[in-house]
Amino acid sequence: AQSVTQLGSHVSVSEGALVLLRCNYSSSVPPYLFWYVQYPNQGLQLLLKYTSAATLVKGINGFEAEFKKSETSFHLTKPSAHMSDAAEYFCAVSAAMDTGRRALTFGSGTRLQVQP
Amino acid sequence: EPEVTQTPSHQVTQMGQEVILRCVPISNHLYFYWYRQILGQKVEFLVSFYNNEISEKSEIFDDQFSVERPDGSNFTLKIRSTKLEDSAMYFCAVLEQGGTDTQYFGPGTRLTVL
Repeated sequence: AQSVTQLGSHVSVSEGALVLLRCNYSSSVPPYLFWYVQYPNQGLQLLLKYTSAATLVKGINGFEAEFKKSETSFHLTKPSAHMSDAAEYFCAVSAAMDTGRRALTFGSGTRLQVQP
Repeated sequence: EPEVTQTPSHQVTQMGQEVILRCVPISNHLYFYWYRQILGQKVEFLVSFYNNEISEKSEIFDDQFSVERPDGSNFTLKIRSTKLEDSAMYFCAVLEQGGTDTQYFGPGTRLTVL
């Protein structure tokens, strides 16, 4: 069984400030981890993924995340927030088996607000 | 990145009616998925489909739901007798072609059951 916990349903930062969105996971098997972003009235867009290669992964729009097995975490960061980063962010986990074709389990999401 | 379209973008139906939601990947894929997101809640897995068979399904995917690839390209989700609680955003996803680990999502169909 797998689960994802995203701490903070709402995060507000000032433009130019550091963005930190927290994700902790639970998995009985080695995980694959993903961050997706959802802009208003749109679908889910992949930001970045961890699939057992480098533990620090870089994604689109300047985001990155670090897989920390000891902490079962996969926090998302961006050094400097931009107004266009305002969106809902979802962390997701799947089992690293069956060559990764298993279902995704999502967290509850974190809504990021960027203040001017 | 694979391109996935979904039709319709918004479907309004009466309780008890059947609805069919469609997913059209632009290129060939082998693995397909349906997820749903009830307003204000998390995205939930419904079913995965591989080689014309259901590969995995969740508890949500009961006898009211079915999936198929009727013509080898479209991938459909049918809800036989809709309930009020079926109102949600339904997302189709496909596995990256040639890859093994990343699902790409369509824009979704908003289903409203009255």
